Amino acid sequence: AQRVTQPEKLLSVFKGAPVELKCNYSYSGSPELFWYVQYSRQRLQLLLRHISRESIKGFTADLNKGETSFHLKKPFAQEEDSAMYYCALQGTYKYIFGTGTRLKVLA
Amino acid sequence: SQTIHQWPATLVQPVGSPLSLECTVEGTSNPNLYWYRQAAGRGLQLLFYSVGIGQISSEVPQNLSASRPQDRQFILSSKKLLLSDSGFYLCAWSQGRHQPQHFGDGTRLSIL
Repeated sequence: AQRVTQPEKLLSVFKGAPVELKCNYSYSGSPELFWYVQYSRQRLQLLLRHISRESIKGFTADLNKGETSFHLKKPFAQEEDSAMYYCALQGTYKYIFGTGTRLKVLA
Repeated sequence: SQTIHQWPATLVQPVGSPLSLECTVEGTSNPNLYWYRQAAGRGLQLLFYSVGIGQISSEVPQNLSASRPQDRQFILSSKKLLLSDSGFYLCAWSQGRHQPQHFGDGTRLSIL
């Protein structure tokens, strides 16, 4: 079965602390994985995709096929990172989204 | 550049009334189109997707339907709304199945 699991509904960290948003997937082929972010009163938008291997707004995510994970990381959280984050797996014709993690960065 | 428009932004409808939500994409041709429902704690649930005019795939059986009368137009409909249809509906497009999806602003639907 194709599935994306985000185990944390809410993650609170202090400003300047490291952040790790967890994402695990289940997929039989070669996965294509994405992180989407939704800031308050804004559209859901792409943050990064694993094939790009880039850092966006200080966030990185590495695909670990052995652990079937695609965790999103940032070394130093900022208040403007507070948002809803969704991990997504590209399936045959559609995305499979996780249930999302709300990140709150506290001052 | 490509843009996606979704309307209305909010809608309040009585139980049993019909529904029509519209989504249009500009600046691209033959996009893949999607309708999602976003619910707190449940993430994004794919309702319908379309890879071309008149081609609709349904992911979740329910009293909603979708149509694609034109290349860049995607409509979500219901003949009779249920209370359980309340929610936040998102339209999205992508240029091909391996490309990122781009989302509209969404429609908040409340059923009374």
